[in-house]
Amino acid sequence: QVHLVESGGGVVQPGTSLKLSCAASGFIFSRYGMHWVRQSPGKGLEWVAVIRHDGSNENYGDSVKGRFTISRDNSKNTLYLQMNSLRVDDTAVYYCARGWFGDEFDYWGQGTLVTVSS
Amino acid sequence: DVVMTQSPLSLPVTFGQPVSISCRSSQSLVHSDGNTYLTWFQQRPGQSPRRLIYKVSNRDSGVPDRFSGSGSGTDFTLKISRVEAEDVGVYYCMQSTHWPPWTFGQGTKLEIK
Repeated sequence: QVHLVESGGGVVQPGTSLKLSCAASGFIFSRYGMHWVRQSPGKGLEWVAVIRHDGSNENYGDSVKGRFTISRDNSKNTLYLQMNSLRVDDTAVYYCARGWFGDEFDYWGQGTLVTVSS
Repeated sequence: DVVMTQSPLSLPVTFGQPVSISCRSSQSLVHSDGNTYLTWFQQRPGQSPRRLIYKVSNRDSGVPDRFSGSGSGTDFTLKISRVEAEDVGVYYCMQSTHWPPWTFGQGTKLEIK
């Protein structure tokens, strides 16, 4: 069965960096686009970034553009999110989710909490 | 960006009763390929979101048939024919016709009256 497991969250200070990982199993990772979605405490869902199955195309939400970078290693079945210049309002649970346009978000990970605080 | 507006934001319910959640988009969600990419998610307390319905009315595998989706253009509805205890949580609509970005509604909290 499909499994997505995020890791790498933690407590960091504003202005610093953090890299999240999402380990995928149970499906052919290299055939699927992948997303990052975040949820601030007690708030709704916010789309963060997407990457095509082969890594050839990436898109970002305006709030993270220029600071975050999505990438993947299909040989390791792993998705990444490099987060730089972190701000307090980046505090959220970060989820990875499977899919590209047309059939996306059918599977989600359990999420990893990122807390940005001084 | 397409703005998704849900109503109500809070929905007190009695078990066994039907409920409806509305989702409106700021522009038509009909794609040039003829499909309408409107998705509904359920998020139970303490859990990750779960996709319930995609392309307006297609139920995901394992989703009870008491859940149904309908609508067209800019106006969509999620209906639960008879609410059960396991349905408590927050429901989100999302559009993926006009991307990026993928945009979500604010969420509707289904809670027990």
